[in-house]
Amino acid sequence: GQQVMQIPQYQHVQEGEDFTTYCNSSTTLSNIQWYKQRPGGHPVFLIQLVKSGEVKKQKRLTFQFGEAKKNSSLHITATQTTDVGTYFCAGNSGSARQLTFGSGTQLTVLP
Amino acid sequence: EAGVAQSPRYKIIEKRQSVAFWCNPISGHATLYWYQQILGQGPKLLIQFQNNGVVDDSQLPKDRFSAERLKGVDSTLKIQPAKLEDSAVYLCASRVPGQKRNGYTFGSGTRLTVV
Repeated sequence: GQQVMQIPQYQHVQEGEDFTTYCNSSTTLSNIQWYKQRPGGHPVFLIQLVKSGEVKKQKRLTFQFGEAKKNSSLHITATQTTDVGTYFCAGNSGSARQLTFGSGTQLTVLP
Repeated sequence: EAGVAQSPRYKIIEKRQSVAFWCNPISGHATLYWYQQILGQGPKLLIQFQNNGVVDDSQLPKDRFSAERLKGVDSTLKIQPAKLEDSAVYLCASRVPGQKRNGYTFGSGTRLTVV
């Protein structure tokens, strides 16, 4: 079955430093979504990428979809304490109807 | 727009007992999902409904888990009997099917502890 892997599992950064999480799929994806889950909260949809090589920005967040549509990354510039949480990628392949979530990267921002 | 409503928020039961969770999706969202999120892991799909029909229940442990969405609106997920490994957050999500570039809207979840 489809597997989605994310690294790193944990990341501690000093406030103001950059942060990147990487997502890799065992199969080619039709699209990939990114979610943020605050401690004790539920996943909140951030963005969806569909096209090969697509890059999208949301303020300090930059999302990228690989050329082969098997990997993706989320980069946060100049982290803030409000960025704390777990970031999940979730992929949807053409053959699978379901959205498969990665294991997430838990970000801690030290003030 | 009201969000996805779930209840109860927390539940503690003993193993072998039964438990039920309720979800009311966003009005107009025909697609409804139940996910299980074990601590430290990503959400795992249990079942997907389109209106009142099951689209995918391949990962639902059918010997103990059941779910229904009789009128195509709210849904219930039941576990009977519960095992220790069922301790997790059960998340309900909904979306408008076929709408491009929209993600899933999750409810706050029900945190189940089986002791």
